[in-house]
Amino acid sequence: GAGVSQSPRYKVAKRGQDVALRCDPISGHVSLFWYQQALGQGPEFLTYFQNEAQLDKSGLPSDRFFAERPEGSVSTLKIQRTQQEDSAVYLCASSFYTPNLNTEAFFGQGTRLTVV
Amino acid sequence: SQQGEEDPQALSIQEGENATMNCSYKTSINNLQWYRQNSGRGLVHLILIRSNEREKHSGRLRVTLDTSKKSSSLLITASRAADTASYFCATIRRRDDKIIFGKGTRLHILP
Repeated sequence: GAGVSQSPRYKVAKRGQDVALRCDPISGHVSLFWYQQALGQGPEFLTYFQNEAQLDKSGLPSDRFFAERPEGSVSTLKIQRTQQEDSAVYLCASSFYTPNLNTEAFFGQGTRLTVV
Repeated sequence: SQQGEEDPQALSIQEGENATMNCSYKTSINNLQWYRQNSGRGLVHLILIRSNEREKHSGRLRVTLDTSKKSSSLLITASRAADTASYFCATIRRRDDKIIFGKGTRLHILP
């Protein structure tokens, strides 16, 4: 596709419900990032993939958060037993990895999750 | 916090004036990037400056980087109403290529 695509754009979940957020990166992009952005704040790093390998998941706030990228392309961020504090915009970005990463990251429009 | 710091947090200026935003960071970096985010939208890449560069221009944008002070500035000249948005600096951490964002500057251009 022409850009990074995220779905759904909006998700309302009842507290305790499980949700799955999808990211379609730009074709050929090796690196994929997930970020969480609370209202009025900057994006906070969640996790990073290089192809199918999850190299860094240090930003995942709890074990209720799980991300995968099994074939090195599409990625899914799953949140189990959602809580109200999970309400945020979840952003996905991809980039063509080069050593020292002198390339830009392209962001999707995000998924706005509201837990009620 | 894993974020850098931008200042000011919010800035309102008259259309046509120049807007300057600053960013400080903590770790050694490969490069620094500036992004714009309109309300309810995704982040749009504006400009990238490498760690061995000191200044870079792109249209009405001018970015400086001082690695000794671990700081960068973004200057938008001749501001327009369409420049109203939040602006974030993002650093690419040298040791693991993690992209780390600041909290952003909310810029409002007054007509």
